[in-house]
Amino acid sequence: GIQVEQSPPDLILQEGANSTLRCNFSDSVNNLQWFHQNPWGQLINLFYIPSGTKQNGRLSATTVATERYSLLYISSSQTTDSGVYFCAGGTSYGKLTFGQGTILTVHP
Amino acid sequence: NAGVTQTPKFQVLKTGQSMTLQCAQDMNHEYMSWYRQDPGMGLRLIHYSVGAGITDQGEVPNGYNVSRSTTEDFPLRLLSAAPSQTSVYFCATDRGGEQYFGPGTRLTVT
Repeated sequence: GIQVEQSPPDLILQEGANSTLRCNFSDSVNNLQWFHQNPWGQLINLFYIPSGTKQNGRLSATTVATERYSLLYISSSQTTDSGVYFCAGGTSYGKLTFGQGTILTVHP
Repeated sequence: NAGVTQTPKFQVLKTGQSMTLQCAQDMNHEYMSWYRQDPGMGLRLIHYSVGAGITDQGEVPNGYNVSRSTTEDFPLRLLSAAPSQTSVYFCATDRGGEQYFGPGTRLTVT
């Protein structure tokens, strides 16, 4: 099956800093998503991005499908950005393989 | 519009007991999935469904059964609970590109 590798595993930032999270896939995927799990355990879909670039406020994502990786950019980080960021991919809907996640801690 | 709902929120079982985790959605999404999340790990797919009457196994299906008789409901059955099934269980729907997760069920098997 598809293997998903995320880096870095942990990230500690001061409020206002920028960061880049990376996700590598062992094989091609046509369904790629980024999620944020908040400290209460809730999972929120950030981006559906099998290719190209998308932006939503302070967050943006870029996927280079031919090289099997995706990047999540967080600019001007806030304490509410803390939590775990997961990328997940697959070749069909409803069936995703998740990475191990990046634990982000933003200090005031 | 409640989205994806899961019941119960918490459950403690003894080894060998059976139970059903409920998942319901009101978004009319075709795709539904069950994942488990263990400490320090990402989510792992247990079973998924591409529509009413159609289910298939994911990465870790052993010890679990599912059925999908309606678009709205996708229950997960634990046949004979084992301590290794202690985990947080998430149900998700997919509208063809974006997955939406329920709040999760925290299950402890003693």
